Amino acid sequence: AQSVTQLDSQVPVFEEAPVELRCNYSSSVSVYLFWYVQYPNQGLQLLLKYLSGSTLVKGINGFEAEFNKSQTSFHLRKPSVHISDTAEYFCAVSFSLMDSNYQLIWGAGTKLIIKP
Amino acid sequence: ETGVTQSPTHLIKTRGQQVTLRCSSQSGHNTVSWYQQALGQGPQFIFQYYREEENGRGNFPPRFSGLQFPNYSSELNVNALELDDSALYLCASSLDLSGDTDTQYFGPGTRLTVL
Repeated sequence: AQSVTQLDSQVPVFEEAPVELRCNYSSSVSVYLFWYVQYPNQGLQLLLKYLSGSTLVKGINGFEAEFNKSQTSFHLRKPSVHISDTAEYFCAVSFSLMDSNYQLIWGAGTKLIIKP
Repeated sequence: ETGVTQSPTHLIKTRGQQVTLRCSSQSGHNTVSWYQQALGQGPQFIFQYYREEENGRGNFPPRFSGLQFPNYSSELNVNALELDDSALYLCASSLDLSGDTDTQYFGPGTRLTVL
């Protein structure tokens, strides 16, 4: 069965420091990978996605992620975080159920806590 | 601003009652998906509708049902509410069925509390 694991439930980091949020998945078929951000009391917003091509994907707000097929990982990184990056981050993987039926399988989320 | 709206924002019900949650998708988006997000967890896929027909379902019982209307609005209905149904319910719309490449746009969610 397909699954998504976010290894850290919380990541505290000082402002202007770099951060990496980890995501691993298990699947025997091709997948498409997403990172979403959820700010307090708001819905989910797409940060970036990997569909094909270059394994390094750049998203909004200075975030990027690297797809590593051999390690089945899609870790999210930012070189310098800001207090406004405080939010919960979700990794999601799209699996094909049948010809045109896809669903997203989600990780449990990682809370990014920025310390001043 | 994604253009996806949900109502109500908050709702309190008691066990055994029925509830209807509403979602208005972005204009032109033919696909809507519903998710349940329990506290401290990631979203769980409930079901997806495409052009008013159910197009896939997650591991949820039949008391969770839905409707999609031609005007890009949709409903999630839950019968015989249980305490464990307390969660944030999210709807997401996308242009078409190409879920691999098609971004899903999420609404802000409805927070349901079952007492």
